Amino acid sequence: ETGVTQTPRHLVMGMTNKKSLKCEQHLGHNAMYWYKQSAKKPLELMFVYSLEERVENNSVPSRFSPECPNSSHLFLHLHTLQPEDSALYLCASSHRQGPSGANVLTFGAGSRLTVL
Amino acid sequence: GQNIDQPTEMTATEGAIVQINCTYQTSGFNGLFWYQQHAGEAPTFLSYNVLDGLEEKGRFSSFLSRSKGYSYLLLKELQMKDSASYLCAVRIRVDSNYQLIWGAGTKLIIKP
Repeated sequence: ETGVTQTPRHLVMGMTNKKSLKCEQHLGHNAMYWYKQSAKKPLELMFVYSLEERVENNSVPSRFSPECPNSSHLFLHLHTLQPEDSALYLCASSHRQGPSGANVLTFGAGSRLTVL
Repeated sequence: GQNIDQPTEMTATEGAIVQINCTYQTSGFNGLFWYQQHAGEAPTFLSYNVLDGLEEKGRFSSFLSRSKGYSYLLLKELQMKDSASYLCAVRIRVDSNYQLIWGAGTKLIIKP
């Protein structure tokens, strides 16, 4: 267990389905992140929540919708996805990034998404 | 633009030493991280460098040269369990915010 738990670990969905990914941390962190990881590509930051407010949205298509109901939980709602959205979706948490200190990210094991 | 380069794949022999390089072209540098990711698992933190020099942690060491935009991760006494991807990431400051820029990762294959 890494301290960040993601469910489900694997998800197969059709392009017309609606599903959600869940992330939970009890590390006392106040920032949570969604990343997309595709083979041989850098991690792509999708969303950042700091102190439960969305602070970053990197031009992510509206078919991805994040939700952060409290500092311990983060969701990624999925609807009308495309096959190119198939990837590993990683959740991470940290203390809020600042000018000093490492503020290391702790990652979950990811949700492997396949869109048919 | 912000860019990080690292080799796609490297192969090394059990018991040997391997050096994984990372070069970066970024503005607002505020630290460099190395993470290890085994297949199907979460990336886990290995090291953090913000000042020039070598940081040693057991079999793993990380080096940073800010003037050259260069870092390396040195793995000694390689073990089969070191087969993994190694991700380099640079933290940059943009206005009052801090962002991580990631390399694509280096897949390290350890052979007996």
